Amino acid sequence: AQSVTQLDSHVSVSEGTPVLLRCNYSSSYSPSLFWYVQHPNKGLQLLLKYTSAATLVKGINGFEAEFKKSETSFHLTKPSAHMSDAAEYFCVVSEAGFQKLVFGTGTRLLVSP
Amino acid sequence: DGGITQSPKYLFRKEGQNVTLSCEQNLNHDAMYWYRQDPGQGLRLIYYSQIVNDFQKGDIAEGYSVSREKKESFPLTVTSAQKNPTAFYLCASSILATDNYGYTFGSGTRLTVV
Repeated sequence: AQSVTQLDSHVSVSEGTPVLLRCNYSSSYSPSLFWYVQHPNKGLQLLLKYTSAATLVKGINGFEAEFKKSETSFHLTKPSAHMSDAAEYFCVVSEAGFQKLVFGTGTRLLVSP
Repeated sequence: DGGITQSPKYLFRKEGQNVTLSCEQNLNHDAMYWYRQDPGQGLRLIYYSQIVNDFQKGDIAEGYSVSREKKESFPLTVTSAQKNPTAFYLCASSILATDNYGYTFGSGTRLTVV
């Protein structure tokens, strides 16, 4: 069965500094991987997705993630944090051909001025 | 604009009451899902449906019921058998295809027991 582990429950950065949110996955087959963002009391918005094409995936709002099969990782990065990036971020895995998504427990990103 | 509409945004339930959360989509998506979100626990799947008049239990279905009479609608009933219903409930939908394109989410309903 597939699973995903988000290694940090909270990450704090200063505005203008790089962001790194870490995610490791476990999957028996070729996985599809996603990052979603959730602002307080809102639904989840898709940031980016990996579905076996290019290993470096670019998403919205300047975020990107790199699929590393050898490390079973899919870390989310952004070169320069903005105050509006403060939110909760979810790493999500699904095995190829299966529609059920499995969510990580989330990482709360705090951005200070 | 296409999307998913959840209503109401806030809902209060008395002990022993059943309440129904609405979820409607106009994306022509085949599949619909209900998740429960509690602090520090991520999202947990309650029920999902891949086709009209068919649905499957997720990981935490006890105390909940659903129906899928129309492609656009997937209401969730929280019954009195659900002992700890206070949570944030999210509805989602997706296309069913060989590649997984991910889900589109509604903006959620916050249910509180009073």
